[in-house]
Amino acid sequence: GAVVSQHPSRVICKSGTSVKIECRSLDFQATTMFWYRQFPKQSLMLMATSNEGSKATYEQGVEKDKFLINHASLTLSTLTVASAHPEDSSFYICSARLTPHEQYFGPGTRLTVT
Amino acid sequence: GENVEQHPSTLSVQEGDSAVIKCTYSDSASNYFPWYKQELGKGPQLIIDIRSNVGEKKDQRIAVTLNKTAKHFSLHITETQPEDSAVYFCAASKSAGTYKYIFGTGTRLKVLA
Repeated sequence: GAVVSQHPSRVICKSGTSVKIECRSLDFQATTMFWYRQFPKQSLMLMATSNEGSKATYEQGVEKDKFLINHASLTLSTLTVASAHPEDSSFYICSARLTPHEQYFGPGTRLTVT
Repeated sequence: GENVEQHPSTLSVQEGDSAVIKCTYSDSASNYFPWYKQELGKGPQLIIDIRSNVGEKKDQRIAVTLNKTAKHFSLHITETQPEDSAVYFCAASKSAGTYKYIFGTGTRLKVLA
């Protein structure tokens, strides 16, 4: 149980285009999901907290107009990287909260912007 | 601000030996401490967790200990196997707000066959 999927697993796009990443909790409902960014050989950096039916909460320094989050249902949150640039290339990982403390992570999405 | 320090950053052990990874947290209100294993190109996988009302928890070859007074917690892996090779992250959270995690910086464990 507690399986989280992400789609796509890899995406390559041209600079200036927008990319949407989906995060789904497959066997449980999650009112809260989290979006992280991870650079090579570094830890996970929390970008934002996604709350079903309400606006996302962004961490300090994260541009809300660039990283658009929508949590329209109890099993789906989406992250859209608007007008992506090479510096947005990274590994994006979502997690879904099963219990107040427990988070289960998706497999990640590798974004490459050329 | 809230911080979790993790040591060592890299650890090499011989197959069959034990491995210990230590974390120290700064926020005394933290009350939940999970450990995640991340393999290359994959998302983190929860391997064990401990709550602040417990001093130790064990699951087969993996154990976690917590010292609330010193604000330390440690991951112990016994009888290591090559498939234990991965990056391990500790985290801390508290029962407030969104219960978000503060992650450690990670430990790259290599088990030598």
